[in-house]
Amino acid sequence: GQNIDQPTEMTATEGAIVQINCTYQTSGFNGLFWYQQHAGEAPTFLSYNVLDGLEEKGRFSSFLSRSKGYSYLLLKELQMKDSASYLCAVRGRYGGYNKLIFGAGTRLAVHP
Amino acid sequence: EADIYQTPRYLVIGTGKKITLECSQTMGHDKMYWYQQDPGMELHLIHYSYGVNSTEKGDLSSESTVSRIRTEHFPLTLESARPSHTSQYLCASSGTSGRVYQETQYFGPGTRLLVL
Repeated sequence: GQNIDQPTEMTATEGAIVQINCTYQTSGFNGLFWYQQHAGEAPTFLSYNVLDGLEEKGRFSSFLSRSKGYSYLLLKELQMKDSASYLCAVRGRYGGYNKLIFGAGTRLAVHP
Repeated sequence: EADIYQTPRYLVIGTGKKITLECSQTMGHDKMYWYQQDPGMELHLIHYSYGVNSTEKGDLSSESTVSRIRTEHFPLTLESARPSHTSQYLCASSGTSGRVYQETQYFGPGTRLLVL
């Protein structure tokens, strides 16, 4: 089966750095995605990892360790607008097809 | 990013009515998806399509149906709406772009449905 775990909620201070962890179990791993979702809006794509290591994109970075089934999203220089849910999604092999499974999301609250 | 559109954005309707939620994308993506999401809750896949005339049910059982007659269009229909169908419905599409096999899913803005 496929299982994704990430913390339910996190809080952080404006200007700080926060790391959101994601652990997963899947068959036929074929990529891990991070999405940002503001309340009442659709998810927007942030990052993609398929090989081990760190992918940096501006204030956001994402790390993957396939052997540990582990990823994290790192947000630097936090801004109030970063308050949102962050969804970890893993693509694996299921029933002969690649499927993308979403975690429940981590609600991040950024305070002044 | 993919251009993907959903209409209506908001819909309030009475029990028993038939409704169709529209989803269109202009990126030529083969794969399209419908998700259901209640406020503050996780996304649940209810339907997906890997191409024209291909539709499959997702992980969450749904009384809705879908069709895929054209690549760009993936409408979702509820024959008889009920209050339990009240939710947000998100359409997404994916295709190979940039890195081969990345197949990022891009989401439409969603339809918020309220059934009275």
